[in-house]
Amino acid sequence: AQSVTQLGSHVSVSEGALVLLRCNYSSSVPPYLFWYVQYPNQGLQLLLKYTSAATLVKGINGFEAEFKKSETSFHLTKPSAHMSDAAEYFCAVSEPFGNEKLTFGTGTRLTIIP
Amino acid sequence: ETGVTQTPRHLVMGMTNKKSLKCEQHLGHNAMYWYKQSAKKPLELMFVYNFKEQTENNSVPSRFSPECPNSSHLFLHLHTLQPEDSALYLCASSQSNQVAYEQYFGPGTRLTVT
Repeated sequence: AQSVTQLGSHVSVSEGALVLLRCNYSSSVPPYLFWYVQYPNQGLQLLLKYTSAATLVKGINGFEAEFKKSETSFHLTKPSAHMSDAAEYFCAVSEPFGNEKLTFGTGTRLTIIP
Repeated sequence: ETGVTQTPRHLVMGMTNKKSLKCEQHLGHNAMYWYKQSAKKPLELMFVYNFKEQTENNSVPSRFSPECPNSSHLFLHLHTLQPEDSALYLCASSQSNQVAYEQYFGPGTRLTVT
């Protein structure tokens, strides 16, 4: 069975500061990993995905994530936070060629302090 | 229309009403999903359809009845709901013959049961 754990349900950073959102996964096979963002009153939007190619993945809006097998982690970072980054962020995992299901974490709400 | 659309965006219904949620994907995908998103709870997968066939029913109460007439359309029929069914209902789609089943989400229907 696969699962993800997002450490910290709420994270606050100052505008211009580093954003770090944590995600650890559990999977019986090498997983595929995803980060999604949800703005208020909207659906989830794919930020980036890891599919066993490069371990450092770049996504939209200046975000990137690094797959670390030894740490079973896939943390999301952005060098400089912007007010528009305020949203909820979800990490998700799937098994390659397994089935169509994604398993989501519980989400991290990111607040940007002016 | 592009992406995944959902109608209506907001719905208020009484416990004895019957209503339906509609989802349409314009991405040429073959898999479609219903999720329930409640406050302070993880995203809950409800149903999965692949090539119009239901492949997942995640122990959803029978007062929720899905219908998938073709790969582009997905419905969720609602009847005799309970107040705890109030939530954001999200539809998603994916292409299951790709390497990673990244899902694309609609904006959701905000359901309030009175």
